[in-house]
Amino acid sequence: GEQVEQRPPHLSVREGDSAVITCTYTDPNSYYFFWYKQEPGASLQLLMKVFSSTEINEGQGFTVLLNKKDKRLSLNLTAAHPGDSAAYFCAVSAANNYAQGLTFGLGTRVSVFP
Amino acid sequence: DPKIIQKPKYLVAVTGSEKILICEQYLGHNAMYWYRQSAKKPLEFMFSYSYQKLMDNQTASSRFQPQSSKKNHLDLQITALKPDDSATYFCASSQERGENTEVFFGKGTRLTVV
Repeated sequence: GEQVEQRPPHLSVREGDSAVITCTYTDPNSYYFFWYKQEPGASLQLLMKVFSSTEINEGQGFTVLLNKKDKRLSLNLTAAHPGDSAAYFCAVSAANNYAQGLTFGLGTRVSVFP
Repeated sequence: DPKIIQKPKYLVAVTGSEKILICEQYLGHNAMYWYRQSAKKPLEFMFSYSYQKLMDNQTASSRFQPQSSKKNHLDLQITALKPDDSATYFCASSQERGENTEVFFGKGTRLTVV
């Protein structure tokens, strides 16, 4: 089955700097790709969903890059601020529906310091 | 205003006992899911239900039984609890398919089995 490897497990970032989290996956037929943010004690909040073959998407304070050829998904936090301190998870869907569930990475704990 | 309600937020149970985790969603979704998050493991897909019917069961033993009394309810009954069942259990929901669909998560129930 699908396996998702996420790196790094921990990240300390100075406020204003950028940081990159990367996930690699194994199933070349994977269909949808997600980044979630989880603050302590809170639910998972969807940051972005992508599905095109190679895609760069910009959100508020971050950029997501998908490279299906390399089976790689990355999240770039630009100009980190204290509100970005959280755990970030990538997730992959094997099909164009969610019946088989999402396969998650192990997560990256990001700490933003002044 | 939470759209996916999980109860209780915290639960302590004795080994061998039985507990029910409650989940209700008010997003009008036709599919609901259970995921488990254990220490040092990725968020793990357990079950998917669509229109109150089981779609997929990935990793859970028969001690874990989803129960859907209404379209927007998917409870999780766990019998013969073991300390290894200690984890945070997340309920999620979505429309079953579609490029514009997203998977939303509840805040989780943290279960500790002693």
